Amino acid sequence: GNSVTQMEGPVTLSEEAFLTINCTYTATGYPSLFWYVQYPGEGLQLLLKATKADDKGSNKGFEATYRKETTSFHLEKGSVQVSDSAVYFCALRGAQKLVFGQGTRLTINP
Amino acid sequence: GAGVSQSPSNKVTEKGKDVELRCDPISGHTALYWYRQRLGQGLEFLIYFQGNSAPDKSGLPSDRFSAERTGESVSTLTIQRTQQEDSAVYLCASSSTRGFRNQPQHFGDGTRLSIL
Repeated sequence: GNSVTQMEGPVTLSEEAFLTINCTYTATGYPSLFWYVQYPGEGLQLLLKATKADDKGSNKGFEATYRKETTSFHLEKGSVQVSDSAVYFCALRGAQKLVFGQGTRLTINP
Repeated sequence: GAGVSQSPSNKVTEKGKDVELRCDPISGHTALYWYRQRLGQGLEFLIYFQGNSAPDKSGLPSDRFSAERTGESVSTLTIQRTQQEDSAVYLCASSSTRGFRNQPQHFGDGTRLSIL
């Protein structure tokens, strides 16, 4: 079945550091890929998405490229801020339901 | 223009009691999902409703769990004879079915369930 594997956390960085959170997937067919973010005390929010190979999703300075050849959808940001501290979930959707990774907790120190 | 609404936001109950959680999806969204998120863990799919089709119940962990949906609106998730292992945040999400695969799910804030 479909599955998502995320980089284990927690991840702690200093402000303005470069961020990469790895995500790889296993799926049949051509899934859509998503990154969701959960800020402290809040619900899940869609951060970005990509629906086909080589698509790049971007939002709030974050980017992720749908790489079919490596079955990956790594999340990157060039310069993180304290306000980016949250839990990040990679997810894919095949036929119906979203399948989520375990989440990566990110803490940014000033 | 409200988002997905869940109630109650918090529920504390004794082991063995039944609980009912409610979800109001975004108006016009025909797809509705329930997930469970245990402390420090990822999201676990429970059940999925799509219009008048039979729901996908493949994620329900036991027969103590059930869910209903009234037409294309409100859904209730019921847990009977609650156990301490049921303690978690229960999340509801809805999505449009236009261009189905590409549509993101919109999540509610969840119900935090604590079983004493």
